[in-house]
Amino acid sequence: GAVVSQHPSRVICKSGTSVKIECRSLDFQATTMFWYRQFPKQSLMLMATSNEGSKATYEQGVEKDKFLINHASLTLSTLTVTSAHPEDSSFYICSARRGGARLYSYEQYFGPGTRLTVT
Amino acid sequence: AQSVTQLGSHVSVSEGALVLLRCNYSSSVPPYLFWYVQYPNQGLQLLLKYTSAATLVKGINGFEAEFKKSETSFHLTKPSAHMSDAAEYFCAVSDGSNAGGTSYGKLTFGQGTILTVHP
Repeated sequence: GAVVSQHPSRVICKSGTSVKIECRSLDFQATTMFWYRQFPKQSLMLMATSNEGSKATYEQGVEKDKFLINHASLTLSTLTVTSAHPEDSSFYICSARRGGARLYSYEQYFGPGTRLTVT
Repeated sequence: AQSVTQLGSHVSVSEGALVLLRCNYSSSVPPYLFWYVQYPNQGLQLLLKYTSAATLVKGINGFEAEFKKSETSFHLTKPSAHMSDAAEYFCAVSDGSNAGGTSYGKLTFGQGTILTVHP
């Protein structure tokens, strides 16, 4: 159990266009999803925390108007990179946390990542 | 505030040798600690976690880690390296005390350690 999928796995887009990345929890309900960004040979940097039915909380330095996050259901969160530029090229990874007050509700389950290349 | 420092961005061992990946943390509250492994172009897989129970934690693939509060460390070890262990490893800390909060389970990652295993 606790499988998280991301779609697409790879995407190439032209500068100025928008790209949507989906993150789905396949076999559990995720009240909270996290979006990370990873540059080559670097660690994961948290971009935002997404709670179902409410606005996302963005980390300092992350442009909320550029990285639109929607968590419309307990199994789906989306990240839209608007007006993408080459510097937005990166590996985007989502994770999901189970809902409820169970002992292991703090655990995050990671998706396989999406490689975004902006040309 | 929490932080994680992984000593050594690259570690190289021979197949069959001991693997030791170092992690030190800083946290103002009792931490939850995690080790993740990442293979190229993939998401993160949880190896093991410490959540204030036993200080010696056993994980998957023969890995284990010991929580030492006095040293603020959570080093990852494996008695005998296998070629398939070659990957990047991330140590992460989470605030385990704020159960129920919207940022509960928020992870802070270390810089990562690339493990190379030589035949």
